[in-house]
Amino acid sequence: QSALTQPASVSGSPGQSITISCTGTSSDVGGYNYVSWYQQHPGKAPKLMIYEVSNRPSGVPDRFSGSKSGNTASLTISGLQAEDEADYYCSSYTSSSTRVVFGGGTKLTVL
Amino acid sequence: QVQLQESGPGLVKPSGTLSLTCAVSGGSISSSNWWSWVRQPPGKGLEWIGEIYHSGSTNYNPSLKSRVTISVDKSKNQFSLKLSSVTAADTAVYYCARVLSVHDAFDIWGQGTMVTVSS
Repeated sequence: QSALTQPASVSGSPGQSITISCTGTSSDVGGYNYVSWYQQHPGKAPKLMIYEVSNRPSGVPDRFSGSKSGNTASLTISGLQAEDEADYYCSSYTSSSTRVVFGGGTKLTVL
Repeated sequence: QVQLQESGPGLVKPSGTLSLTCAVSGGSISSSNWWSWVRQPPGKGLEWIGEIYHSGSTNYNPSLKSRVTISVDKSKNQFSLKLSSVTAADTAVYYCARVLSVHDAFDIWGQGTMVTVSS
């Protein structure tokens, strides 16, 4: 069982918006602004999409945005495109000895 | 731009030691970044293994700490992972990654290397 809780799957049609949640505790998501999101296509390495809750690395489309409220972080993808279909993982720093925790991943299907 | 490349045996026998190396190109391993290992069992999620700084300071996942050693070779601009007493549960794709800043995200990843534990 993963330390951070994500829905197993979400889906949306092209052009729509979807949101993926990532729920932790006050020891990780709620306590620090070190939440990040990764996109992973089949057979590929994860790609950083959002860091420090809401920052986008250079080259990541502004259709991707991140936010946090309490112990839950969210990734929103607006204007869904076919190439957005992938697995998405959240991650957070944690004050526990584990230091880094991941969510179990969410499979995004673009209908 | 910095690139990472994992290398090592793809097959390890049970009770043996898994050894992987991550070569850093396009940048220095002595930069102000930590360097990590992350693994992903087939069909499952990501698991952080540990990290190292160029000074040699390390942090490990407590669930693996007794079996893991991460080291750095500044002369070769690379860092390495050793995982001892492996079992089938250690079968996974192993990724090396650069940490953006202390406690922060993994901003650059290697392509990953599949390691199977089997006799």
